[in-house]
Amino acid sequence: EVQLVESGGNLVQPGGSLRLSCTASGFSFSSYWMSWVRQAPGKGPEWVANIKQDGSEKQYVESVKGRFTISRDNAKNSLYLQMNSLRAEDTAVYYCGKDMEVWGKGTTVTVSS
Amino acid sequence: QSVLTQPPSASGTPGQTVTMSCSGSSSNIGTSSVNWYQQLPGAAPKLLISNNYQRPSGVPDRFSGSRSGTSASLAISGLQSEDEADYYCVAWDRSLAAWVFGGGTKLTVL
Repeated sequence: EVQLVESGGNLVQPGGSLRLSCTASGFSFSSYWMSWVRQAPGKGPEWVANIKQDGSEKQYVESVKGRFTISRDNAKNSLYLQMNSLRAEDTAVYYCGKDMEVWGKGTTVTVSS
Repeated sequence: QSVLTQPPSASGTPGQTVTMSCSGSSSNIGTSSVNWYQQLPGAAPKLLISNNYQRPSGVPDRFSGSRSGTSASLAISGLQSEDEADYYCVAWDRSLAAWVFGGGTKLTVL
């Protein structure tokens, strides 16, 4: 069974940084694109970023380019999202995804002073 | 404003068939496969349909998807109370180089 467990969400001040982690199990992690999707309170999901199997290709939604960095460690079956220069509008539940198919339960990021 | 357009609400009575739409353009649905998700309150989105019409293992055959031109549809037959949820479509947009979601359709089972 595919399992994705996110961690690292927290309350952070505007301008601050946070690193999210996702530990995967139940599938061949290194064989899949991996994604981050977020969902602000009361809103629909928004794709944030994804990364190719070997990490050689990364794509981001326009609103996070230059601020967020997606990475992965295939030896550890882990996906990461480094978030810098955080803004109030980044407040959301962040989900880790196996491609765009299966999602974890999410971790909550709140950006507020 | 979402790139993919979904009606904000839909409703039906138990046993009925409900269809919801997802409208896009030639840069997304017109050239890319569509996935559909169901989101129950407080839960993560769950994949219902991938690649326009394929059901993952465990998804009842009451759920079906289709795509025609720049639009896609999700149909739910034999509507049940537990189908009450939010439904989202998503597709890759080659112009934006991004995955784009619809705004979601809230399904109410009367």
